[in-house]
Amino acid sequence: AQSVSQHNHHVILSEAASLELGCNYSYGGTVNLFWYVQYPGQHLQLLLKYFSGDPLVKGIKGFEAEFIKSKFSFNLRKPSVQWSDTAEYFCAVNAGYGNKLVFGAGTILRVKS
Amino acid sequence: DTEVTQTPKHLVMGMTNKKSLKCEQHMGHRAMYWYKQKAKKPPELMFVYSYEKLSINESVPSRFSPECPNSSLLNLHLHALQPEDSALYLCASSQGQGAEQPQHFGDGTRLSIL
Repeated sequence: AQSVSQHNHHVILSEAASLELGCNYSYGGTVNLFWYVQYPGQHLQLLLKYFSGDPLVKGIKGFEAEFIKSKFSFNLRKPSVQWSDTAEYFCAVNAGYGNKLVFGAGTILRVKS
Repeated sequence: DTEVTQTPKHLVMGMTNKKSLKCEQHMGHRAMYWYKQKAKKPPELMFVYSYEKLSINESVPSRFSPECPNSSLLNLHLHALQPEDSALYLCASSQGQGAEQPQHFGDGTRLSIL
């Protein structure tokens, strides 16, 4: 069965600090990878996605993620965070039959102004 | 604002009640999903409908009964729920059921079972 691990449950950063959130998945075949964000009181929104091609994908709001197949990783990065990035971030993987997303446990990011 | 609309936003019900959760999207998506999210946990898939037919049931207890009356609507009928069923129920939709299709989520219905 697929599984997704997110390394940190809580991250606290000051504004302008760089962000990297780790995500590892367990599946040996072709995978489709996603990062979703949930701002306080809002619904889950897609940040970015990887299907194939360039392993460095860019998403909304200055976020990017790098797919490293040999490490089964899909880490999320942002060079300079803002207070408005305070949210919970979920890594998700989809492999196999149908559009069956498996989510990681989530990382709560708090950015101090 | 989300393009997937869920009603009601909050629901409190007793263990003997029957209620329904509703989900609507007008994006022309042909796949729709129900997820359950317990507090401080990630969403977990319950059901997938593709072209109005149930395609995935993640071994969900029969007290949860999904229904897809048409391509825009998805219902979740609830009966004889247990206190541990209290959770946020999320609906999502995607253009198709391909694994590369991103899912669009609603705000959810927060369900409390007394």
